[in-house]
Amino acid sequence: EVQLVESGGGLVQPGGSLRLSCAASGFTFSSYSMTWVRQAPGKGLEWISYISSGPTTINYADSVKGRFTISRDNAKNSLYLQMNSLRAEDTAVYYCAKSDCGAGCFLSDFWGQGALVTVSS
Amino acid sequence: QPVLTQSPSASASLGASVKLTCTLSSGHSNHVIAWHQQQPQKGPRFLMKVYSDGGHTMGDGIPDRFSGSSSGAERYLTISSLQSDDEADYYCQTWGTGSLFGGGTKLTVL
Repeated sequence: EVQLVESGGGLVQPGGSLRLSCAASGFTFSSYSMTWVRQAPGKGLEWISYISSGPTTINYADSVKGRFTISRDNAKNSLYLQMNSLRAEDTAVYYCAKSDCGAGCFLSDFWGQGALVTVSS
Repeated sequence: QPVLTQSPSASASLGASVKLTCTLSSGHSNHVIAWHQQQPQKGPRFLMKVYSDGGHTMGDGIPDRFSGSSSGAERYLTISSLQSDDEADYYCQTWGTGSLFGGGTKLTVL
């Protein structure tokens, strides 16, 4: 059974940092691209970052470029999102999602349950 | 970069059918899209991929009450025999320089 479990969310002050993790199981993690998607309170889904299986390709949305870093450890079946210089508008539930192939595929076919990040003083 | 357009809301009666639409912007009518369901207070769930030729690939465990189709730049999600737990937000997703989502359609089951 495919599972994605996010952790590391919480309350952080503006300008602070947080690192999210996503533990994957039930599939060959090293063979699939992964993405991070967030959802601000009462809003829709916003894609923020992508990493290919290799990981040879990494992409970011303009809203987080230069502040967030996506990475993965295929030996540990884990995906990460390092978030720096956090702003109030980064407050959201953050989801990790599995893509449907290893490279060049940006459609998600499985989601985690989400981790809440609140940026507030 | 494509843009996906969805109606903000839709409604249909219990047991009836409803067809939701996701429209791709000009020049991107060949894009494959994915449909996702998000029930209240839950994470999204992948439903299916819909291709420009109208074919679709279902997610694991998705009942056959859900189906997809396509016409030009429009991608459809049809839900038949509506149940109360189909009341949810439905998002379409495609790719550009990364991934992107439509604004979502809130489905109310009357």
